[in-house]
Amino acid sequence: NAGVTQTPKFQVLKTGQSMTLQCAQDMNHNSMYWYRQDPGMGLRLIYYSASEGTTDKGEVPNGYNVSRLNKREFSLRLESAAPSQTSVYFCASRDTYQPQHFGDGTRLSIL
Amino acid sequence: GESVGLHLPTLSVQEGDNSIINCAYSNSASDYFIWYKQESGKGPQFIIDIRSNMDKRQGQRVTVLLNKTVKHLSLQIAATQPGDSAVYFCAENIPPSNGNQFYFGTGTSLTVIP
Repeated sequence: NAGVTQTPKFQVLKTGQSMTLQCAQDMNHNSMYWYRQDPGMGLRLIYYSASEGTTDKGEVPNGYNVSRLNKREFSLRLESAAPSQTSVYFCASRDTYQPQHFGDGTRLSIL
Repeated sequence: GESVGLHLPTLSVQEGDNSIINCAYSNSASDYFIWYKQESGKGPQFIIDIRSNMDKRQGQRVTVLLNKTVKHLSLQIAATQPGDSAVYFCAENIPPSNGNQFYFGTGTSLTVIP
């Protein structure tokens, strides 16, 4: 049982480049989430998808877009990467009234 | 203990001792709380949760206590082991969010001394 799988695990980009972070869950969860984690700060919600076909902004959505491709997959896209987006990105999923399950993260550096 | 926005506190305990990690949450309306463990290079791992209609909940070697009067949450780990070394943080759900917008603390770094 893989749980939540994120790819890639590491990535280095140049300012202005674009990329998509992939996330897939095999627990048949309805809701999926993207967070970023920065030193000295708690996890901050970027976007979430409460159910297939819906997406909503979280606390820090600027500079990001998301796609809920199907029930299993939720991707995060950086259209024009900026150094301020250097962070560790976590995807999570959960079932209704249950805690979130997290992937092991994507470590993204933007030069 | 931790709280949203504070620098990461640290706690060192001897193997076999009990550990207590504290969390001051922000909103008296918060109705659901979760403790997570995060090891270096890994994603957060669920430990235990508690809803606001409870004061205490026990799991395997872990107990969570909720004091709504002072907005305080604690995680107690019994007979701490080296494998418990990690960062621990709490998360709160503030209505009307139905678990979709948790607010996370910055965490406490626990080091277990063999």
